[in-house]
Amino acid sequence: SYGLTQPPSVSVSPGQTARITCSGDALPKQYAYWYQQKSGQAPVVVIYKDNERPSGIPERFSGSSSGTTVALTISGVQAEDEAVYYCQSTDDSETSRVVFGGGTKLTVL
Amino acid sequence: QVQLQESGPGLVKPSQTLSLTCTVSGASITSADFYWSWIRQSPGKGLEWIGYINHSGNTYYNPSLKSRVNISRDVSKSQVSLKLSSVTAADTAVFYCARVDLVTTIAFDVWGQGTMVTVSS
Repeated sequence: SYGLTQPPSVSVSPGQTARITCSGDALPKQYAYWYQQKSGQAPVVVIYKDNERPSGIPERFSGSSSGTTVALTISGVQAEDEAVYYCQSTDDSETSRVVFGGGTKLTVL
Repeated sequence: QVQLQESGPGLVKPSQTLSLTCTVSGASITSADFYWSWIRQSPGKGLEWIGYINHSGNTYYNPSLKSRVNISRDVSKSQVSLKLSSVTAADTAVFYCARVDLVTTIAFDVWGQGTMVTVSS
């Protein structure tokens, strides 16, 4: 079945740039979304439709897409950005099944 | 302000049916602008989409769970319900209710706080 692949972990120092990737065969045809989940909390969408930022999400969060890989970039990482980040998309079958990546733990050193 | 609140038993016995309710406030579950979804997260694991229901009551399920899942709604109570049958320990998870915004983001833009369900005898 269709899946999205993310690295398990990314570590950066405060002020640096973090880049989290997500790969999937259907990504050239389907939008990607990114969710931030802090410990003990529900996820929050930080990027939608590949590269759009919801109101209230800091400008340091951005999204990009290239072929079968999408990326979430956090510029000038802050301690409060430490969380697990999930990518989400749909497969390109008739059912448009929703799929999530396995999640990437961002550690701010 | 849209709020979603999950409720239901925190403990279910193996082979029984898990039943949860999501009460929606601040938005209409009959609006064509939204889908209402269930998503689960096993302890220490990632997110898994279970399915959703649209404004007409049509449902869409994760194929991996389809044979055991039923999502329904009670419009008068503004509630969306989940039933998952024949549960095992592998179904132990935090269950989230979430809204899909079909107009702007097409993302899960509002989530409930989640409710933990343990499957154990």
